Amino acid sequence: DAGVTQSPTHLIKTRGQQVTLRCSPKSGHDTVSWYQQALGQGPQFIFQYYEEEERQRGNFPDRFSGHQFPNYSSELNVNALLLGDSALYLCASSLGGPTNTEAFFGQGTRLTVV
Amino acid sequence: AQSVTQLGSHVSVSEGALVLLRCNYSSSVPPYLFWYVQYPNQGLQLLLKYTTGATLVKGINGFEAEFKKSETSFHLTKPSAHMSDAAEYFCAVSEERNAGNMLTFGGGTRLMVKP
Repeated sequence: DAGVTQSPTHLIKTRGQQVTLRCSPKSGHDTVSWYQQALGQGPQFIFQYYEEEERQRGNFPDRFSGHQFPNYSSELNVNALLLGDSALYLCASSLGGPTNTEAFFGQGTRLTVV
Repeated sequence: AQSVTQLGSHVSVSEGALVLLRCNYSSSVPPYLFWYVQYPNQGLQLLLKYTTGATLVKGINGFEAEFKKSETSFHLTKPSAHMSDAAEYFCAVSEERNAGNMLTFGGGTRLMVKP
């Protein structure tokens, strides 16, 4: 079982550019959540995708958008990058039903905006 | 709105000593509580979780935590620290049964273990 995989592992972008981060959930999982972890802080919830739709969203601007594909993989897109977007972006997968209570995290994508 | 406060951004203990990492939460409904560990350059690994039932929860690597509703706390303990326990620890709360829903994390506590 490959677990949650994210790509790329590291990325350097220039202010104003756009970036796409990718996540493949753990086998059998249908729900993907994205978190932003700034240096020295705890992760902050960006949004969650279930059945190819955004189900919940945290307090992030519209520059942050996402997508979920029929195979449950997901992308996180950030437009008009700011220096403050530099962070570790974590993807977590889980089952969407009411009985599961654990989210599995990937190793993250380290985004640096210069 | 839910929130989590972790007292002490850095905690240092000697190998073999008791580990105590503090977590207090606020939630408008009965919470579901989690502790995650993060090793350098890695993602988050679940240590333990409280959903319902027994308030003393045992997790992996000898860690346990006790849910105290009256104190709105969920402190993490381990009787004897090991060098391999050095890592960042995060307490998190969810107001949904399914942890796939929004998790709110505390700011983290970096545990250092001295030989």
